[in-house]
Amino acid sequence: GAGVSQTPSNKVTEKGKYVELRCDPISGHTALYWYRQSLGQGPEFLIYFQGTGAADDSGLPNDRFFAVRPEGSVSTLKIQRTERGDSAVYLCASSPTWAGTGELFFGEGSRLTVL
Amino acid sequence: GQSLEQPSEVTAVEGAIVQINCTYQTSGFYGLSWYQQHDGGAPTFLSYNALDGLEETGRFSSFLSRSDSYGYLLLQELQMKDSASYFCAVRVPIYNQGGKLIFGQGTELSVKP
Repeated sequence: GAGVSQTPSNKVTEKGKYVELRCDPISGHTALYWYRQSLGQGPEFLIYFQGTGAADDSGLPNDRFFAVRPEGSVSTLKIQRTERGDSAVYLCASSPTWAGTGELFFGEGSRLTVL
Repeated sequence: GQSLEQPSEVTAVEGAIVQINCTYQTSGFYGLSWYQQHDGGAPTFLSYNALDGLEETGRFSSFLSRSDSYGYLLLQELQMKDSASYFCAVRVPIYNQGGKLIFGQGTELSVKP
């Protein structure tokens, strides 16, 4: 596709359940970022992949959060034992290399609601 | 630590000029970006300053002073469609692996007729 694609666009789950959010970056983009955005706040950095490896996962809130990018393209953000505080929009972004121009291309996000 | 400060909201009228300021305190600095986000939409890139001075792109300009850890976004000839949230974001280095963006809390711009 032409842009960054994220699925699902909306996910409602119950507290304690497991959730996977998928990101399909722009073809050829080697850098991939996950952010989390709560209402009225700026995007909060979670994790950055350069190729297949996580170059920086310092933003993951705790060990319930994990992300993979096994083939250097599609990435999956995994959240175990979800809590109500995990409710937010999860944004994925990609860039051709390491965002040398400060430009990231964002997807529309996956809105997660934990009941 | 990393922190960025920008006003939470600004109101202006159509046709006017508005300036959104951003001050930052980060560990490392590559440059300052600005993003626009409409309600329910994806953040979209507006501009990037790596060096001091003014960058102009159509109706939007962005300024950076690295010595003051300060930048601003200037929007001219405001239109109703400019009503949105605007985020400044600092690109900070990741050792030997490029950089990541740290975002401010955003400024909600309301353009009135």
